[in-house]
Amino acid sequence: DGGITQSPKYLFRKEGQNVTLSCEQNLNHDAMYWYRQDPGQGLRLIYYSQIVNDFQKGDIAEGYSVSREKKESFPLTVTSAQKNPTAFYLCASSIGALATQETQYFGPGTRLLVL
Amino acid sequence: AQSVSQHNHHVILSEAASLELGCNYSYGGTVNLFWYVQYPGQHLQLLLKYFSGDPLVKGIKGFEAEFIKSKFSFNLRKPSVQWSDTAEYFCAAYNQGGKLIFGQGTELSVKP
Repeated sequence: DGGITQSPKYLFRKEGQNVTLSCEQNLNHDAMYWYRQDPGQGLRLIYYSQIVNDFQKGDIAEGYSVSREKKESFPLTVTSAQKNPTAFYLCASSIGALATQETQYFGPGTRLLVL
Repeated sequence: AQSVSQHNHHVILSEAASLELGCNYSYGGTVNLFWYVQYPGQHLQLLLKYFSGDPLVKGIKGFEAEFIKSKFSFNLRKPSVQWSDTAEYFCAAYNQGGKLIFGQGTELSVKP
């Protein structure tokens, strides 16, 4: 059953703590993305990766970091430098990247809450 | 900056009413447009997309959208909504840098 999985579904962060959100895909897609969803603001791009061992900052990368060591996996770390991390985080993938006719497919999301 | 705007933040309709959700994008030239839907507790999923050709695009679940280049618009329509259409709807477009830009989203509530 192909698709994108994200874990955990809910994540709680304490002050000063780094937390990592998992994203895995078995669609054999080259490109992967992380978005942040806030009420009334739509989705905003945090980071994206076109290929293994390469990634680029999106529009709101400050306070976040990523890695892309495997084609299937694109974890996102929310660092203590991110002052307003409470949001719904969505991972997506597409066959390629920076190609304006690619459909992006989304995972179920992780809701991050600050204690 | 290139942007996508959805003017309706929350729409409330009764079942069988007709739906039209507005979407405008800010830039000219070639544009590729999408409507995504997020049902409660489910993944964001593609409703329909427009790349070229017939400006009236049909998607899943009876939805359609019309691309009007002169108005920079890509409005979503459905002739008769059902309670199961209750969801949040997002319009999106690729900018010239190859990034997918989303509108703010429209929450649709359908009363049974």
